[in-house]
Amino acid sequence: ETAVFQTPNYHVTQVGNEVSFNCKQTLGHDTMYWYKQDSKKLLKIMFSYNNKQLIVNETVPRRFSPQSSDKAHLNLRIKSVEPEDSAVYLCASSRDRGDTEVFFGKGTRLTVV
Amino acid sequence: GDSVTQTEGLVTVTEGLPVKLNCTYQTTYLTIAFFWYVQYLNEAPQVLLKSSTDNKRTEHQGFHATLHKSSSSFHLQKSSAQLSDSALYYCALPNASSGSWQLIFGSGTQLTVMP
Repeated sequence: ETAVFQTPNYHVTQVGNEVSFNCKQTLGHDTMYWYKQDSKKLLKIMFSYNNKQLIVNETVPRRFSPQSSDKAHLNLRIKSVEPEDSAVYLCASSRDRGDTEVFFGKGTRLTVV
Repeated sequence: GDSVTQTEGLVTVTEGLPVKLNCTYQTTYLTIAFFWYVQYLNEAPQVLLKSSTDNKRTEHQGFHATLHKSSSSFHLQKSSAQLSDSALYYCALPNASSGSWQLIFGSGTQLTVMP
């Protein structure tokens, strides 16, 4: 049963364009995340965000930025995409506890041509 | 910093035979849970197993894993692999070094079960 919803499922764009991906969770969680799953299937956290703070992984390029209107929504904007941004972007949510599950959406597959 | 190591990128096994996916970790924090996630093709990663107790076997969907803090391991096993087990498996541990809980994932093991 899906409780983390991402749109779009796929997106193809050209180098230099701006893209935005949407994410909504219906679990009532207070923390949301964006992960990047690259072509080698490595899962790397990009951002975590709750009502207290935004944590940015230091390796994330500045052209990436999260945008949140409330605790159920966390969107991802990429200002000027580059070929290495081609990947699956997974949104997730959890309660802010160390023993709790993280629930993922199905992801948005970005292809930069 | 904390890390999770999965030594096999690809594992192929014949249906009905046992399978073991390795996971070791390194952490400097008091980690209170360890996870195995499974991702089927075109689906979201989802929790397969979770363990918080040292030396206690945890089971779900025919898979089992035992957390061994003495060897920093949390290997995933199944006695008889099924075709439907073909998927990508990640070992993960929560980390709070950044001030907020985040999951750190291993590099993943692609399991293929052959008829």
